Amino acid sequence: AQSVTQLGSHVSVSEGALVLLRCNYSSSVPPYLFWYVQYPNQGLQLLLKYTTGATLVKGINGFEAEFKKSETSFHLTKPSAHMSDAAEYFCAVRHDYKLSFGAGTTVTVRA
Amino acid sequence: DGGITQSPKYLFRKEGQNVTLSCEQNLNHDAMYWYRQDPGQGLRLIYYSQIVNDFQKGDIAEGYSVSREKKESFPLTVTSAQKNPTAFYLCATEGGFSGANVLTFGAGSRLTVL
Repeated sequence: AQSVTQLGSHVSVSEGALVLLRCNYSSSVPPYLFWYVQYPNQGLQLLLKYTTGATLVKGINGFEAEFKKSETSFHLTKPSAHMSDAAEYFCAVRHDYKLSFGAGTTVTVRA
Repeated sequence: DGGITQSPKYLFRKEGQNVTLSCEQNLNHDAMYWYRQDPGQGLRLIYYSQIVNDFQKGDIAEGYSVSREKKESFPLTVTSAQKNPTAFYLCATEGGFSGANVLTFGAGSRLTVL
């Protein structure tokens, strides 16, 4: 069975500061890993994904994530937060036809 | 303009009533999914369909039903057997140029039971 744990349901950062969202997963097979972003009352939008190959993955809006097999982690980072980054972020792991999501982390950005 | 259309965006229902949420796509994607979102719980899979006339239960299928008679459409019925139906419902598709394993989501339907 696959599961995803996102550490911290809320993260508050200052504009211009580093954004770090933590995600750990459990998987019995090599995982496909994803980060999605959701703005209020909207669907989810793909930020980035890891399937195979390079473990540092770059996504949209300046976000990137690193797959660390030894730590079973896929943490999301952005060097400098912008006000428009305020949203909810979901980590997800894929197995067969199912995508299992973490509980989400809400990011607020302080001016 | 390609995409996924979910309707209605907001829906109110009295207890004991069935309600059907619509999901239509013109992306020509084979696979379609329904997720339920509750605060602090992430998304949970209700049903999914890999192909027309076939669908599978997800993790929380009890109290829900679906059909897949056309490739473009995957309606979800929330029945009176669903004990706590108030939630945000998201439809998603997979396939095409977005690539395998990547889900494209609709804007969602918010159901409130009065």
